[in-house]
Amino acid sequence: NAGVMQNPRHLVRRRGQEARLRCSPMKGHSHVYWYRQLPEEGLKFMVYLQKENIIDESGMPKERFSAEFPKEGPSILRIQQVVRGDSAAYFCASSPYGTYTDTQYFGPGTRLTVL
Amino acid sequence: AQSVTQLDSHVSVSEGTPVLLRCNYSSSYSPSLFWYVQHPNKGLQLLLKYTSAATLVKGINGFEAEFKKSETSFHLTKPSAHMSDAAEYFCVVSPTDNTGKLIFGQGTTLQVKP
Repeated sequence: NAGVMQNPRHLVRRRGQEARLRCSPMKGHSHVYWYRQLPEEGLKFMVYLQKENIIDESGMPKERFSAEFPKEGPSILRIQQVVRGDSAAYFCASSPYGTYTDTQYFGPGTRLTVL
Repeated sequence: AQSVTQLDSHVSVSEGTPVLLRCNYSSSYSPSLFWYVQHPNKGLQLLLKYTSAATLVKGINGFEAEFKKSETSFHLTKPSAHMSDAAEYFCVVSPTDNTGKLIFGQGTTLQVKP
């Protein structure tokens, strides 16, 4: 059973460009979470999605950031008009049931660098 | 509001000596608690989790943690450190509201000296 897949692993963008980060959850998992890790910090929750639904986006910046998890295909985290402060590692996790006792399994992350 | 505090940002031990990484949590109810490990430039790997069953939880690679409700603590221990244990360790709380939001501590960097 393959783990959580994320691509690309590394992404370099210039200020003002768009970044698209992809996450394929573990087989059988319908709950996806995105977290951001700034340098020297712990991970911070961004958004929680189920298929075709955003359950909780309270951690998402109000502008430029959006996320989706379509019926078919991976979950996408999209950052428009990137700025240097968006440079971070973005991790995706998935779980089977979405309860608080569930284990969230993490992908290897996408490291975004904004020049 | 739930939160988690890792009491040490950096811990250094010698190979073969015990490891203690401290974590305190704040929660109105009994949450689920996790320890994850992150090796440099890698993703997070689950070490162990507590979900209101046995208070002493055994994890992978010889790690274990004890849930102490009276002290609101969930410290991670290992009897004998290996060089391969050098990594960043995160104590994590999963609130009982089922929002899916894991709350991470700031992390503890474990250094293992030969």
